[in-house]
Amino acid sequence: EAQVTQNPRYLITVTGKKLTVTCSQNMNHEYMSWYRQDPGLGLRQIYYSMNVEVTDKGDVPEGYKVSRKEKRNFPLILESPSPNQTSLYFCASSLRDPRTYNEQFFGPGTRLTVL
Amino acid sequence: GENVEQHPSTLSVQEGDSAVIKCTYSDSASNYFPWYKQELGKGPQLIIDIRSNVGEKKDQRIAVTLNKTAKHFSLHITETQPEDSAVYFCAASSYTGRRALTFGSGTRLQVQP
Repeated sequence: EAQVTQNPRYLITVTGKKLTVTCSQNMNHEYMSWYRQDPGLGLRQIYYSMNVEVTDKGDVPEGYKVSRKEKRNFPLILESPSPNQTSLYFCASSLRDPRTYNEQFFGPGTRLTVL
Repeated sequence: GENVEQHPSTLSVQEGDSAVIKCTYSDSASNYFPWYKQELGKGPQLIIDIRSNVGEKKDQRIAVTLNKTAKHFSLHITETQPEDSAVYFCAASSYTGRRALTFGSGTRLQVQP
């Protein structure tokens, strides 16, 4: 089944404790992206990747890191999480640049709480 | 950069009625306008999209209209059913802009049986 998977689905952590949220897609998509969803703010892009070893900042990259060593994986790293990073996170992928009419496929989401 | 505003934030309709969600965008170069539906506990899923060279597109009970002059586009759902209850997001992008979609803030649609 074609899908985007994320792990974990739920995570409660404390300020400053490094964490990684994994994302994997099995559709051989070139483009991958991370979003955060907050009430009243919609989906805001954190980072995106056009292909392996090619990443770039989105609208809200502060406090996050990403890497794209393999085409299928795009982990999101929070080196020192803070309470303002409490949010619902989505990974998404598309065959190519979503601006060129390519549908984005979203993962099921990761709900992160930073105490 | 692109800014997308979406209204209303919540919408409640009776089953069988129509629902309309409206979005405006700021970048006149925007040329792609998808709509995503997010059901409870799931990620958003594309339901319909429209390109700037088309004024209207329909797919069964849903339709999207685009007014490039006014820079706004709308989602129309007819004969609403309880399973249409979800959060709907509009988005816009321009090929000359950032390599991403810019999303609206979302509309929570509740269809009352």
